Amino acid sequence: KNEVEQSPQNLTAQEGEFITINCSYSVGISALHWLQQHPGGGIVSLFMLSSGKKKHGRLIATINIQEKHSSLHITASHPRDSAVYICAVSSGSRLTFGEGTQLTVNP
Amino acid sequence: DGGITQSPKYLFRKEGQNVTLSCEQNLNHDAMYWYRQDPGQGLRLIYYSQIVNDFQKGDIAEGYSVSREKKESFPLTVTSAQKNPTAFYLCASSTTSAKNIQYFGAGTRLSVL
Repeated sequence: KNEVEQSPQNLTAQEGEFITINCSYSVGISALHWLQQHPGGGIVSLFMLSSGKKKHGRLIATINIQEKHSSLHITASHPRDSAVYICAVSSGSRLTFGEGTQLTVNP
Repeated sequence: DGGITQSPKYLFRKEGQNVTLSCEQNLNHDAMYWYRQDPGQGLRLIYYSQIVNDFQKGDIAEGYSVSREKKESFPLTVTSAQKNPTAFYLCASSTTSAKNIQYFGAGTRLSVL
C-alpha cells in the first residue's frame, strides 16, 4: 500500500462544476502539499498546510490531521484547470508523493 | 527570473549509451533533487544533494549517477546499467532550512531508441 493515496485517479468535469480531489496518507507528517503539473510537465506548488484550511482564488485545500486526510476543491472549474494534481507529504526532510489525479475540464 | 532550468526537454538514448540531463538553478538553494516520474506512480527520489561536493542516494539510485561541483548545477547521468530509463525526470531545489518546500523544473522526457 502506498503511503500516499489519491482519489480519483482520473476526473472529467464540465466547466463550472465543483471538483474535489482526495488524499489519504498513512505516515506521520509535518506538512501536506498540493501540487499542480501542467501538460508540459512542470510542477508548481499550490498549497502547503499542516492544519485547517487554506484558500487561494477558486482553490481550497483542507486537512484533517486526526483522519490523515486532505481534500483539494476547485470551485467554478474552468478548462484551464485541466492538469495533474499531486498530493505530497513531508516527513522529516523527505517528500512522499501520491500518484496524481488527472483532471480534465471540458468547455 | 529566478528558477530551475532543465535541459533538454526531450532526450533519446541508444542501447548501451550514457546520457546526461542538465539541471541549473539560480535560486541560491543549497539542496537539489532528482526525481523520476512514471505513469501511474508518484515521483520517486533518485539522488539528492544538500551541499556542494556531497550527494546521497534516494530510493531508486541504481543505474544513475550525479555530481555537484557547483551550487547551481546538479547533472544526472543515466547510465547503460539503467535497464528501463524511459521516464519523465524532474529536478528540484530547496533551501536546507525548508527542504519540504521544493521548486521544480519543467522536466526532461527520456526515451530509448
